[in-house]
Amino acid sequence: NAGVTQTPKFQVLKTGQSMTLQCAQDMNHNSMYWYRQDPGMGLRLIYYSASEGTTDKGEVPNGYNVSRLNKREFSLRLESAAPSQTSVYFCAAKSSYNSPLHFGNGTRLTVT
Amino acid sequence: SQELEQSPQSLIVQEGKNLTINCTSSKTLYGLYWYKQKYGEGLIFLMMLQKGGEEKSHEKITAKLDEKKQQSSLHITASQPSHAGIYLCGGLRTGNQFYFGTGTSLTVIP
Repeated sequence: NAGVTQTPKFQVLKTGQSMTLQCAQDMNHNSMYWYRQDPGMGLRLIYYSASEGTTDKGEVPNGYNVSRLNKREFSLRLESAAPSQTSVYFCAAKSSYNSPLHFGNGTRLTVT
Repeated sequence: SQELEQSPQSLIVQEGKNLTINCTSSKTLYGLYWYKQKYGEGLIFLMMLQKGGEEKSHEKITAKLDEKKQQSSLHITASQPSHAGIYLCGGLRTGNQFYFGTGTSLTVIP
């Protein structure tokens, strides 16, 4: 019973490189979310997908793109990484409108 | 801008003491959620409050939501080292947007 799985766990990029953070859930949940966590800032919403086939911007979408590949998978892409994108990224999923979010264990990304 | 404000930002208490963490929203929430994060790990769901005036308890943790659904408090009774971590409140807004507060870092000294 994996829940929400994020890969990779750690990543180091050079400025300008691109990469995709993967997120998969096996709970058959409808909605999926991407957050970044920085010291003193709490969790900030990057993008979310209320249901398969839809995606919407959150608070801090600039520099990111997302794909809801199917109901299970929601990926986050950095086209041209910048040092300001150094952060811990969390993916989450929830089943219905007012149910709680279930989180993955995070991806720690460093951009040099 | 942060839609949910938490206070205090950090808290250091002696084991056995009670403590309260507050979460304030500038807008009415459709739901208020409390999470705990151990350092370096993911978030664990604690409790969900949906109705104005609602109160829930689990073991030594009690959460309340005010009548206007804009303020919540999380109270820990007789704190233990296992309570240490970061506590975050999350709020559900329209359009399925789920926002979090800035977090409160709790240290419990044995």
